[in-house]
Amino acid sequence: GQNIDQPTEMTATEGAIVQINCTYQTSGFNGLFWYQQHAGEAPTFLSYNVLDGLEEKGRFSSFLSRSKGYSYLLLKELQMKDSASYLCAVMDSNYQLIWGAGTKLIIKP
Amino acid sequence: IAGITQAPTSQILAAGRRMTLRCTQDMRHNAMYWYRQDLGLGLRLIHYSNTAGTTGKGEVPDGYSVSRANTDDFPLTLASAVPSQTSVYFCASSERSAIPNEQFFGPGTRLTVL
Repeated sequence: GQNIDQPTEMTATEGAIVQINCTYQTSGFNGLFWYQQHAGEAPTFLSYNVLDGLEEKGRFSSFLSRSKGYSYLLLKELQMKDSASYLCAVMDSNYQLIWGAGTKLIIKP
Repeated sequence: IAGITQAPTSQILAAGRRMTLRCTQDMRHNAMYWYRQDLGLGLRLIHYSNTAGTTGKGEVPDGYSVSRANTDDFPLTLASAVPSQTSVYFCASSERSAIPNEQFFGPGTRLTVL
């Protein structure tokens, strides 16, 4: 079966760094996506990885290891507005997204 | 409008009633999707359409139907609503030829079936 695993909830301090992990088992792989979802709102696209390695975009970076079925999202210089759920999704062989349940990130002052 | 719109924003529905959730995009994307999001679960694909005139079943299609008469509109119909269809419904679209072909989401419809 297809499976995406990520922690349910994490807590971090404003100004710090947090790493959100995602492991996956899917039928085929056509890229891994990270989305941010604030409470009561729609998911919005953050990053995309299809090759191994690190993709950096401002305060956010995403890493992929295809051989390990593993990705992480790294958030630096945390701000209160980063409090949200972070969704990991893998595009399978049919070009459909398989979604993890999301990681709720709580930022404390 | 810019992006994707959904209507209604929220709805309370009696079990057994028919309901259509509307979705319209103005980005001329070829692909559109309907998901439901339930607490503790990931987004689950209900139906999708890769191009106008075609539709396909996702992970949880039972009790739902869709149509794609044109590029912009992708309505989702619940023929006879049941309480287990209480959920938040998101419509999304993407351009399949783009890299990355990320999906853009509408604001969602919160549906309660009593």
